[in-house]
Amino acid sequence: QITLKESGPTLVNPTQTLTLTCTFSGLSLTTSGEGVGWIRQPPGKALEWLALINWKDDKAYSPSLKSRLTITKDTSRNQVVLTMTNMDPVDTATYYCANRKGSYGYDYFDYWGQGTLVTVSS
Amino acid sequence: QSVLTQPPSVSGAPGQRVTMSCTGSSSNIGAGYDVHWYQQLPGTAPKLLIYGNNKRPSGVPDRFSGSKSDTSASLAITGLQAEDEATYYCQSYDNSLSVRVFGGGTKLTVL
Repeated sequence: QITLKESGPTLVNPTQTLTLTCTFSGLSLTTSGEGVGWIRQPPGKALEWLALINWKDDKAYSPSLKSRLTITKDTSRNQVVLTMTNMDPVDTATYYCANRKGSYGYDYFDYWGQGTLVTVSS
Repeated sequence: QSVLTQPPSVSGAPGQRVTMSCTGSSSNIGAGYDVHWYQQLPGTAPKLLIYGNNKRPSGVPDRFSGSKSDTSASLAITGLQAEDEATYYCQSYDNSLSVRVFGGGTKLTVL
């Protein structure tokens, strides 16, 4: 059974850096084909893909946010970490991590975490 | 404005069949990239419903089906049930933007 869970601050000040951790079980980022992605959803709005990392340590970022995002993995801890710099109130959203399946460009998100709401406000 | 366009809402009575569309362009669905569908019940995380245009993950009822043609895709739900009331999102890949893209979502109301 694959489970994922996001953790991190619920409130961030504008201009600060957000660090979110995805802790998972039932999958390993040392296994060929496996990957983890981050997706966010502002309140009442649609989903937006942010970043993903795979077992080879290949990384992909949303071009519109690439300069602000960094994704890394810690295979010994079964964790993926996403950092987003220079946070702004428009970044207020529920942030999800999800297990990525499929090949590049044809991939999809199989199992999702419960999400964590991050509010950006002073 | 989402790269993939979905109608904001659809509705149907219990037992009926409903369909919802996901319209893209030549740089995403029309370029041959797969379309995937997710169901998001109120207050919960999205759940994978259809992958690879028309494949159902284990546990998803066969009342749900997906199709794709040219630059668009569709999700059909037959035998509509009250528990199907949710927001449905399509997802694909856009090669001009180099990004995984989601539609704006369609809210299904069961009358």
